[in-house]
Amino acid sequence: GDSVTQMEGPVTLSEEAFLTINCTYTATGYPSLFWYVQYPGEGLQLLLKATKADDKGSNKGFEATYRKETTSFHLEKGSVQVSDSAVYFCALSGAGYALNFGKGTSLLVTP
Amino acid sequence: KAGVTQTPRYLIKTRGQQVTLSCSPISGHRSVSWYQQTPGQGLQFLFEYFSETQRNKGNFPGRFSGRQFSNSRSEMNVSTLELGDSALYLCASSWGAGLAESEQYFGPGTRLTVT
Repeated sequence: GDSVTQMEGPVTLSEEAFLTINCTYTATGYPSLFWYVQYPGEGLQLLLKATKADDKGSNKGFEATYRKETTSFHLEKGSVQVSDSAVYFCALSGAGYALNFGKGTSLLVTP
Repeated sequence: KAGVTQTPRYLIKTRGQQVTLSCSPISGHRSVSWYQQTPGQGLQFLFEYFSETQRNKGNFPGRFSGRQFSNSRSEMNVSTLELGDSALYLCASSWGAGLAESEQYFGPGTRLTVT
């Protein structure tokens, strides 16, 4: 079945450092791919998405490119801020109406 | 515009009891999905409703059930609670089209503790 694998962390970075969170997937067909973020005590928020191969999703300085050849959707940000500290989830959606999530990656950014 | 609301936010129950959680979607949204979040299993899909019909169901035992009302509000019920049902239960709403076209908005969750 469909699945998502992402680095679990925790990842600790200094402010203004470069961020990469790896995400790979296994799916039949052509899924849509998503990154969600969960701040402490809150629900999930959609950060960005890509619906077909080679699409690049971007939002708030975060980017991810849908790579079909490597079945990957890595999240990147050029310069992280303390306010980016959160848990990041990679997810995919196949033909149905359900999101299939990775385990989440905890990010801590220190001043 | 009000977001997705879930009630109650926190709940403590005893093994063997049953529990009902409520979710009010964003106004105009017709699809409601439920997810269970635990440290061990992560986020797992429970079920999704659209216009009072269950369109999709995850791999959970029959003790987990849900329903949606004509105003799109949804409830989920867990009967005969087990310790392993302790989790954060998240509700999400969307317009109802596929997830590629229709963003899901999540509520803050209900934290269920089973003792």
